[in-house]
Amino acid sequence: ILNVEQSPQSLHVQEGDSTNFTCSFPSSNFYALHWYRWETAKSPEALFVMTLNGDEKKKGRISATLNTKEGYSYLYIKGSQPEDSATYLCSRAGGTSYGKLTFGQGTILTVHP
Amino acid sequence: DGGITQSPKYLFRKEGQNVTLSCEQNLNHDAMYWYRQDPGQGLRLIYYSQIVNDFQKGDIAEGYSVSREKKESFPLTVTSAQKNPTAFYLCASKQGSDFISNQPQHFGDGTRLSIL
Repeated sequence: ILNVEQSPQSLHVQEGDSTNFTCSFPSSNFYALHWYRWETAKSPEALFVMTLNGDEKKKGRISATLNTKEGYSYLYIKGSQPEDSATYLCSRAGGTSYGKLTFGQGTILTVHP
Repeated sequence: DGGITQSPKYLFRKEGQNVTLSCEQNLNHDAMYWYRQDPGQGLRLIYYSQIVNDFQKGDIAEGYSVSREKKESFPLTVTSAQKNPTAFYLCASKQGSDFISNQPQHFGDGTRLSIL
């Protein structure tokens, strides 16, 4: 994998459903993996920054895992609520760019009441 | 409240005109970034700066220029050489230098630039 790729591109779920999305990234020269949530008409906000293989982070109903050896991260949302509707961005710091981030195209989540 | 302020929210450019997008932060962050978003694509880095009076090109710097005369401010100029400037522009900042990868970036609300 040469770029950061997110799947699916969009997702519609019902309130109360649990859901997950995937971020795939180049595993070589990896430094960190960032997840951001971007709600409509707002600025992106950081959810998690993970650096170590096997890292798991949790914030409320949202959690994320990291596999740096195979180059993927999962974001899980348990019991989705309408306020979880947003675009979820994944980005990788790596290669010759320690702090600069390469972003995926995002996963658009819509939670229907 | 600490944060990043981008202005204006909407901007229109005429052919052959340079326009400047403002980005101000009061987070005392050293590193600042400009991104561009096009439909269906991820954020792409235009320019970044680690310290006052220093900046580097990102992945798509052609047709853009920046300055960093003050720590708080990192304006982006979209020049007439940028042939496809219509996009959404986001400014971000981060604590510590660009060499630190485990600090999250903080974003402004963005500026939408359109061609008249």
